[in-house]
Amino acid sequence: AQSVTQLDSQVPVFEEAPVELRCNYSSSVSVYLFWYVQYPNQGLQLLLKYLSGSTLVKGINGFEAEFNKSQTSFHLRKPSVHISDTAEYFCAVSGGSNYQLIWGAGTKLIIKP
Amino acid sequence: DGGITQSPKYLFRKEGQNVTLSCEQNLNHDAMYWYRQDPGQGLRLIYYSQIVNDFQKGDIAEGYSVSREKKESFPLTVTSAQKNPTAFYLCASSLEDVDEQFFGPGTRLTVL
Repeated sequence: AQSVTQLDSQVPVFEEAPVELRCNYSSSVSVYLFWYVQYPNQGLQLLLKYLSGSTLVKGINGFEAEFNKSQTSFHLRKPSVHISDTAEYFCAVSGGSNYQLIWGAGTKLIIKP
Repeated sequence: DGGITQSPKYLFRKEGQNVTLSCEQNLNHDAMYWYRQDPGQGLRLIYYSQIVNDFQKGDIAEGYSVSREKKESFPLTVTSAQKNPTAFYLCASSLEDVDEQFFGPGTRLTVL
């Protein structure tokens, strides 16, 4: 069975500093990978996705992620965070044809001024 | 603008009452989903539907029911059998099985 692990429940970081949010998955089949962002009391918005091709994926708001098949990881990075990046970030994986995404538990990004 | 709407944003109900949450999409997506979100637990799938008049149980379907009579609509009923219904409920849709899911703004249900 597929699973997704987000290693940190919270990540505090100073404004304008770089950040990495970690995501590891387990799957026996080829996967598609997603990062979503959720602002307080709102729905989720897609940041970026990996379906195939280049392992470095660029998304919205200056975020990027790198797919590493050997380490089964899909870490999210941003070189310089802003206070507006304060949100919860979810990693998800889809590897089958059953229309389901498997979700990580989420990582709260806390920006310190 | 295309998107997903959920109503209402906040909903209060007394214990023992059934309540129906609305979800409508105008994206012409075939697949629709209902998730429940609790603090620290991520998203848990309640029900999903790949096509009109067909739906499947997700991981936590007990105490919930759905219908899919129209492509655009996928209402969720939280029944009195759901032991702990207070949560944030999210509806989503997707064009294909491996494509991204688009989310509505959510409904926060509080059972008093």
